[in-house]
Amino acid sequence: GAVVSQHPSWVICKSGTSVKIECRSLDFQATTMFWYRQFPKQSLMLMATSNEGSKATYEQGVEKDKFLINHASLTLSTLTVTSAHPEDSSFYICSARVALGEQYFGPGTRLTVT
Amino acid sequence: GQQLNQSPQSMFIQEGEDVSMNCTSSSIFNTWLWYKQEPGEGPVLLIALYKAGELTSNGRLTAQFGITRKDSFLNISASIPSDVGIYFCAGQMMGTAGNMLTFGGGTRLMVKP
Repeated sequence: GAVVSQHPSWVICKSGTSVKIECRSLDFQATTMFWYRQFPKQSLMLMATSNEGSKATYEQGVEKDKFLINHASLTLSTLTVTSAHPEDSSFYICSARVALGEQYFGPGTRLTVT
Repeated sequence: GQQLNQSPQSMFIQEGEDVSMNCTSSSIFNTWLWYKQEPGEGPVLLIALYKAGELTSNGRLTAQFGITRKDSFLNISASIPSDVGIYFCAGQMMGTAGNMLTFGGGTRLMVKP
């Protein structure tokens, strides 16, 4: 089946630093990748949608200059949280799909900003 | 973004009991999906429903796509400890808005052995 991986699975960083999270589709080429954020005991909230080779489309309220998304290839998208603050601590989940097909979710990355 | 109304928010049941949860929406969808998320993991698709009135089973899980296209339910029969997790419904309008998923708030299921 379709597998999506994320790296790292967890990361701790100091306030003010930047952290990059990778999302890879391992056995298929993803034309579209999605980034979600999930706070404890809450649902998944879509942050942005990215198509390979294009600029990401951000959801309302998500700062594009703070959450940099790059989708340079059909198998890799990265999310960089710039100048991270404790309130950015969350579980970040990516998903990937081919064309308009099923979305496959990654295992998530837990970010803790101290 | 928009969320679906999912209930109950949490359930604490005895092993062997049946479980039922549902989602309602103010707008229609042409696809309903049910996911399970375990701690520290991403959601995994359990059942997908593509037609109003459709009833689909996956082992002990049964889900139905409401006839109005605004609701769906998921039943789990004879629960076991490994059913523990958070169950999310998601609605999708295929062919519009980039086929984006709209998630429910989740139902946290706890099973007592």
